[in-house]
Amino acid sequence: NAGVTQTPKFQVLKTGQSMTLQCAQDMNHEYMSWYRQDPGMGLRLIHYSVGAGITDQGEVPNGYNVSRSTTEDFPLRLLSAAPSQTSVYFCASRERQAVSGELFFGEGSRLTVL
Amino acid sequence: AQSVSQHNHHVILSEAASLELGCNYSYGGTVNLFWYVQYPGQHLQLLLKYFSGDPLVKGIKGFEAEFIKSKFSFNLRKPSVQWSDTAEYFCAVNQGTGRRALTFGSGTRLQVQP
Repeated sequence: NAGVTQTPKFQVLKTGQSMTLQCAQDMNHEYMSWYRQDPGMGLRLIHYSVGAGITDQGEVPNGYNVSRSTTEDFPLRLLSAAPSQTSVYFCASRERQAVSGELFFGEGSRLTVL
Repeated sequence: AQSVSQHNHHVILSEAASLELGCNYSYGGTVNLFWYVQYPGQHLQLLLKYFSGDPLVKGIKGFEAEFIKSKFSFNLRKPSVQWSDTAEYFCAVNQGTGRRALTFGSGTRLQVQP
């Protein structure tokens, strides 16, 4: 199994440009989520989904959109990038009914907005 | 809302020294507790977890953590660190029921000198 796969690994954008970070998992996990990691702030939840067709906001959702049309994929969209969105983004998934809620992470996508 | 505090932001140790990283959380109900590790340039990996039973939890690579409910703490320990333990360590908490979104601490960067 590949686990959680994120693309691209690196991206540079100009302010105002749009892009989509892709996330796919092959573990049949119902729960998927996006975090951003910033120095000194740990990981903060952006959006999450508990199944196809269901999404919800996390701690820092502004400036980001998500959709969940299939169990496998959970793309994160930046409609108009801002320098404040420069960060490392991690996608993570787990079984929805997992007792402990352990997350499995992708390798991250480093985004720079100029 | 629950929060997680990691008091040590940057720790420098020599090989063979003992390690203890602090983690405190704010939620008063049933919780699941995690320590994740992020080696340089890599994604987060689970080090250990607690969700019930023995409050002393043993994880991979000789790490252990103790859940002390009365102190809202889940400190990570290792009796003798190695250079290969150089990484960033994150404590994370979710509520034992309900939405169970994972909340992360700000992380502790451990540097082990040979």
